[in-house]
Amino acid sequence: EAQVTQNPRYLITVTGKKLTVTCSQNMNHEYMSWYRQDPGLGLRQIYYSMNVEVTDKGDVPEGYKVSRKEKRNFPLILESPSPNQTSLYFCASQTKTGPNYGYTFGSGTRLTVV
Amino acid sequence: KNQVEQSPQSLIILEGKNCTLQCNYTVSPFSNLRWYKQDTGRGPVSLTIMTFSENTKSNGRYTATLDADTKQSSLHITASQLSDSASYICVVSAKVPGGYQKVTFGTGTKLQVIP
Repeated sequence: EAQVTQNPRYLITVTGKKLTVTCSQNMNHEYMSWYRQDPGLGLRQIYYSMNVEVTDKGDVPEGYKVSRKEKRNFPLILESPSPNQTSLYFCASQTKTGPNYGYTFGSGTRLTVV
Repeated sequence: KNQVEQSPQSLIILEGKNCTLQCNYTVSPFSNLRWYKQDTGRGPVSLTIMTFSENTKSNGRYTATLDADTKQSSLHITASQLSDSASYICVVSAKVPGGYQKVTFGTGTKLQVIP
């Protein structure tokens, strides 16, 4: 089944403790992206990657890092999490072929930083 | 600046009734417009996608319309069911170099269908 898999689904951590949220897709998509979703603000892009070893900042990149060493994986790294990073995070992938291409989203990771 | 505005923010309707959600956008150059359904705590799932030349597209009880001149779209839900309770997000894509799309998300309309 074509899908984007995120782990973990839920995570509670303390301020300053480094964490990684994993994202993997099995559709051979070139483009992958991370979003955070907060009440009243909708989905905001954190980072995106157009292909292996190619990453760029989205609209809200502060406090986050990403890497794209393999096509299928795009982990999100919080080196020193802070409470304002408490949010619902989504990974998404996209292919650029076809007239109706669009995003496939993961199921989300709810992160709480205390 | 590309923007997508949705209305209403929230809506409560009785099971079996119809409803219409609105989306206004200022995105350029326009590529396509999608409506997504997002259940609480889950990832958005695509309902419909419309390109510039399409005016109406249906997916079961969901019908989306697009007026590219006025930059407006609507999502009409017919004979609502309890399972329609979710947030509905309008997403507009702009063409960018490299063949990909830059997407702009609306903040969504939260629909609650009650018995």
